[in-house]
Amino acid sequence: QLQLQESGPGLVKPSETLSLTCTVSGDSIISSYYYWGWIRQPPGKGLEWIGSIYYSGTTYYSPSLESRVTISAVTSRNQLSLKVTSVTAADTAVYYCARIRGGGHVDYWGQGTLVTVSS
Amino acid sequence: EIVMTQSPATLSVSPGERATLSCRASQSVNNNLAWYQKKPGQAPRLLIYGASTRATGIPARFSGSGSGTEFTLTISSLQSEDFAVYYCQQYNYWLTFGGGTKVEIK
Repeated sequence: QLQLQESGPGLVKPSETLSLTCTVSGDSIISSYYYWGWIRQPPGKGLEWIGSIYYSGTTYYSPSLESRVTISAVTSRNQLSLKVTSVTAADTAVYYCARIRGGGHVDYWGQGTLVTVSS
Repeated sequence: EIVMTQSPATLSVSPGERATLSCRASQSVNNNLAWYQKKPGQAPRLLIYGASTRATGIPARFSGSGSGTEFTLTISSLQSEDFAVYYCQQYNYWLTFGGGTKVEIK
């Protein structure tokens, strides 16, 4: 059974860097069938794709976040990581780790982790 | 960026009735469209991909149709567990989501 588990600080100060990890069990992140990615949902708002990574290490980012986002993979630990720099209150959201089928739809989601940006 | 617009924002439906949700893309996404169900405190659940293919384990009362810029999700007979927010998502060019339709009990 595939499981994705997000972890990281629940509170980040403005202008600092948000860092999250997603631990994947039940599948390998180096599978060529899937992408892996991050999606977020601000309180009371809709879903926003942040970016994705392929097993080759190729990354794809939302144009609106590209300048502040880095997604990487630690294959030895079967983990993904997300870093968002220079955060503001607008980055407050539930952050989801996701498995993305080659076509681009998300077939597995983590449970999500709330990150609040506040001093 | 491809903008996805969902309507209505809220749909009030009685249990057992049919619900029809719409999703429009600002440019053609071919059939690269998915639908998700989202309940409070839970992760989204994939319902439909490829505009009309039900995901594994999704009941037959959920159906998707459309192509290009106009798409529809139909729930043929609403069950109590179907009251939730529904999102469409295109994956023809990057990934973008619609704003959601909340299906509430009438």
